[in-house]
Amino acid sequence: GQSLEQPSEVTAVEGAIVQINCTYQTSGFYGLSWYQQHDGGAPTFLSYNGLDGLEETGRFSSFLSRSDSYGYLLLQELQMKDSASYFCAASTDSWGKLQFGAGTQVVVTP
Amino acid sequence: EPEVTQTPSHQVTQMGQEVILRCVPISNHLYFYWYRQILGQKVEFLVSFYNNEISEKSEIFDDQFSVERPDGSNFTLKIRSTKLEDSAMYFCASSEVAGAKNIQYFGAGTRLSVL
Repeated sequence: GQSLEQPSEVTAVEGAIVQINCTYQTSGFYGLSWYQQHDGGAPTFLSYNGLDGLEETGRFSSFLSRSDSYGYLLLQELQMKDSASYFCAASTDSWGKLQFGAGTQVVVTP
Repeated sequence: EPEVTQTPSHQVTQMGQEVILRCVPISNHLYFYWYRQILGQKVEFLVSFYNNEISEKSEIFDDQFSVERPDGSNFTLKIRSTKLEDSAMYFCASSEVAGAKNIQYFGAGTRLSVL
């Protein structure tokens, strides 16, 4: 079957660095995206990796290793507003179907 | 900044009734999607739509579901006869391209409550 595995919860203090890992097993794979969701609101796009390597966007970076079926999202200089759920999502076909992980709840403490 | 808009934000309906959820995707986007999220669970793919046709659908998207792009701007999801288990948040998304570099932009969602 198809699955994306990520930790259920991570807690860290303001200013810290958090890494959220995602391992995937899908029948097709075009790339890995990361989305942020606050309190059941709209998933907001953060980052995309289509090729192996690191993508950096401000405080957020994402990494992909296709050979290991693995990726991660790195959140740096954590702020209270970063408390949210973070989902990895694999593009699994040429039409853009996204298969989501169960999400990681990030709790930022003072 | 362009955004995907969805209406209504909350829909309450009786079991067995028909509901139509509406979405206005970003104007230059060509690929459209519906997802749903049951409370506390992950986001699940329902259907993708391109060039006025369904390109793919999940096993959740059975004969009770249909999608339509009635004009150049709206994209709708219809549930013909709602069931209790259809209660969920429904998200519309759109993207400029599919395949590689597929970045999807999501609307704020419609919370569907079936009583």
